[in-house]
Amino acid sequence: AQSVAQPEDQVNVAEGNPLTVKCTYSVSGNPYLFWYVQYPNRGLQFLLKYITGDNLVKGSYGFEAEFNKSQTSFHLKKPSALVSDSALYFCAVRSYYGGATNKLIFGTGTLLAVQP
Amino acid sequence: ETGVTQTPRHLVMGMTNKKSLKCEQHLGHNAMYWYKQSAKKPLELMFVYNFKEQTENNSVPSRFSPECPNSSHLFLHLHTLQPEDSALYLCASSQDSRGASYNEQFFGPGTRLTVL
Repeated sequence: AQSVAQPEDQVNVAEGNPLTVKCTYSVSGNPYLFWYVQYPNRGLQFLLKYITGDNLVKGSYGFEAEFNKSQTSFHLKKPSALVSDSALYFCAVRSYYGGATNKLIFGTGTLLAVQP
Repeated sequence: ETGVTQTPRHLVMGMTNKKSLKCEQHLGHNAMYWYKQSAKKPLELMFVYNFKEQTENNSVPSRFSPECPNSSHLFLHLHTLQPEDSALYLCASSQDSRGASYNEQFFGPGTRLTVL
């Protein structure tokens, strides 16, 4: 079965420090991986995606993610956290069944809290 | 904003009421989605439409009835709901949803539904 795991319900980091939000996945075939962010009372916003190519993907707001095939991980990172980065972060993997609907499978989300 | 709007933003209804949620996308996309977001649970895909045709019904109870009159509009008709249906209902769109696609999805702000 295809799945995504975000092992941490919450990540706390001080402003200015690097942050990492973890994601591991399980899929058949090549994974297509996504990160989304959700601010309070808002919908999900696309941050970045990995389809193929360079394992380090750069996205919006200074975020990046590293695809690691051997560890089946796609952790989200940022070198220096901002208080405004505080939000709920979702990892997702695309489920593809050859000709069928392209569906995203989401993790349970990780709440990032950045303290000033 | 993401170009996907949802109305109403908040809805309170009794179990015997009939109401509808509306979603509109201004991005020229061909695929639209309904998701249910409940606390501490992964996003649940409910329905997918591609070029106005329903391509996915993720075992959703019949008290939820989608309608997609064109590629820009998506409705979710609600009737005889249960309290456990209370959640945030998110609409999303993407370029298309067919198997080979890996387009990211763009989300609306959601409708917060409370069933009394």
